[in-house]
Amino acid sequence: AQSVAQPEDQVNVAEGNPLTVKCTYSVSGNPYLFWYVQYPNRGLQFLLKYITGDNLVKGSYGFEAEFNKSQTSFHLKKPSALVSDSALYFCAVRDLGSGYSTLTFGKGTMLLVSP
Amino acid sequence: DSGVTQTPKHLITATGQRVTLRCSPRSGDLSVYWYQQSLDQGLQFLIQYYNGEERAKGNILERFSAQQFPDLHSELNLSSLELGDSALYFCASSGDPGQGFYGYTFGSGTRLTVV
Repeated sequence: AQSVAQPEDQVNVAEGNPLTVKCTYSVSGNPYLFWYVQYPNRGLQFLLKYITGDNLVKGSYGFEAEFNKSQTSFHLKKPSALVSDSALYFCAVRDLGSGYSTLTFGKGTMLLVSP
Repeated sequence: DSGVTQTPKHLITATGQRVTLRCSPRSGDLSVYWYQQSLDQGLQFLIQYYNGEERAKGNILERFSAQQFPDLHSELNLSSLELGDSALYFCASSGDPGQGFYGYTFGSGTRLTVV
């Protein structure tokens, strides 16, 4: 089965500094990778995806992610963090275990951006 | 507004009871997915329906069942409720898999509290 790991439960960063939220994956075949963000009392919102092509993927709200096949990683990055970026971030991978596409999510990383 | 509608937003019920959660997918989406989010288990995939048919099953308890109706809305039925069933239940939808898989659109969730 496919899986993703988010090694950090929480990431703390000061506003204006660059941020990185880590994700590693384990898949058989070509990976389809996703990042979602969840604000308090809200559903998950799509940020970006990697399916094929350029290893640097740009997404919503100034976020980007770098796909690294040799390190099986898909880290989420932003050059300058905002306090409003504080939220729960989920990495996900497409799972074809049933023969149909579903998403398997990591446990999530809480990002706290301090003023 | 993501286009995926979940009702009710909040539900408080007693142990042993049965509840029904409802989801209307984004217009044009044929697949519906149900996920359970709890603090200790993270986001767990429960079940997927496509155009009225069950497609994939995850960690869904036998006390839980779901269906998708001809108008494509879906219901998740939870019975013999236990305290441990308290969680956020999310519905998500996606488009025709023949067009490729590009991830989900999530609803805002139903928060179930079992007392």
